Amino acid sequence: NAGVTQTPKFRVLKTGQSMTLLCAQDMNHEYMYWYRQDPGMGLRLIHYSVGEGTTAKGEVPDGYNVSRLKKQNFLLGLESAAPSQTSVYFCASILAGGSNTGELFFGEGSRLTVL
Amino acid sequence: AQSVAQPEDQVNVAEGNPLTVKCTYSVSGNPYLFWYVQYPNRGLQFLLKYITGDNLVKGSYGFEAEFNKSQTSFHLKKPSALVSDSALYFCAVRGSARQLTFGSGTQLTVLP
Repeated sequence: NAGVTQTPKFRVLKTGQSMTLLCAQDMNHEYMYWYRQDPGMGLRLIHYSVGEGTTAKGEVPDGYNVSRLKKQNFLLGLESAAPSQTSVYFCASILAGGSNTGELFFGEGSRLTVL
Repeated sequence: AQSVAQPEDQVNVAEGNPLTVKCTYSVSGNPYLFWYVQYPNRGLQFLLKYITGDNLVKGSYGFEAEFNKSQTSFHLKKPSALVSDSALYFCAVRGSARQLTFGSGTQLTVLP
């Protein structure tokens, strides 16, 4: 059972470089989310998607873009990385159905360092 | 907008003693509340949830949580702590797009 898979797991960037994080889920979930985790701040929502072709901003969207071209994939992009984007990024997904009571499934995280 | 507060950054408890990790919430309407656990260099794992019904919710690994509507609290408890329970614990409340809003986390250390 793959569940939610994030690639890459580690990446080091220089300020101004761009990169894309990939999240893939094999559970046919409609909703997908990108969070960032910083010490003492818990997890904060960056962007989310409620279905293929749709995206929406979360709590901290600035400096990030996302795309959901396929239901199973949710991409997070950094166009011009900044040191403030050094963080651990988590992807999560969930079914949209009415019987679903809300348990998000998380990936293992992607640790990004911007120098 | 919903919010969650975890007032303790760190909780230390001796092995075999009961543990409590505190959480208070703010949300309009009925709350959907969750506890997750994170081990070092891992993703978040679901522990338990409160949707409706009994105020005492039982979850994985012997954990339980008590929902108190009047105090807007959802404290995580375990009768007898294990060293292996040492981890980072997050309380969360669900929003309108099923997203979770998390507290800042509480580091639980169980001392042998």
